Amino acid sequence: DIVMTQSPDSLAVSLGERATINCKSSQSVLDSSNKRNHLVWYQQKPGQPPKLLIYWASTRESGVPDRFSGSGSGTDFALTISSLQAEDVAVYYCQQYFRAPLTFGGGTKVEIK
Amino acid sequence: EVLVVESGGGLVQPGGSLRLSCEASGFTFGSCWMTWVRQTPGKGLEWVANIKADGSITNYVGSVRGRFTISRDNAKNSVYLQMNSLRVEDTAVYYCARSGRRDGYDGWLDRWGQGTLVTVSS
Repeated sequence: DIVMTQSPDSLAVSLGERATINCKSSQSVLDSSNKRNHLVWYQQKPGQPPKLLIYWASTRESGVPDRFSGSGSGTDFALTISSLQAEDVAVYYCQQYFRAPLTFGGGTKVEIK
Repeated sequence: EVLVVESGGGLVQPGGSLRLSCEASGFTFGSCWMTWVRQTPGKGLEWVANIKADGSITNYVGSVRGRFTISRDNAKNSVYLQMNSLRVEDTAVYYCARSGRRDGYDGWLDRWGQGTLVTVSS
């Protein structure tokens, strides 16, 4: 199975400041046939199901604010919130969809400093 | 509007069985991979199983393989998770979700239900 490791476990950032979450896969999730990384980011707020933010590692889902961006390739990825807003307080998860089982990272909790 | 609604959760004793259902609407159900994901209270997400649009391919996480079975009925816009030989560690909120890819492969999960709680306890 592909193991997804997120860091840090939690992050406290001041309003308006940048937050960066890292995700590392135990093997590459880059598909050589389509040159795309099979990596997705979700946001989960308390009492709610996860919400899709970014897929193909860097494609923002429709309606997601542009302060959210994804980057990386192969085994190392990042989710960046360029200017943290109060409504961004949540747990963020990465997941690979390169090979079953489609494993999640352990999550990163983002809070306001 | 796309809707995904789970049902069937509840309290069951260790060793028992439970069948979860997920009814979808608002999209062409028979064109989409569907997935079950679970979340232990206060913990992270665990992918459980998925099933191809036509039901021809299923995959499972190792901890449930041989005990859980995912299936679907495209005529009823529904996907199911039959859970047998339940263990205390299967206690979780179980989410049903739709794959956002339309090229025949599974991918990101773009629509999720609200989840149904399964509690395995004596």
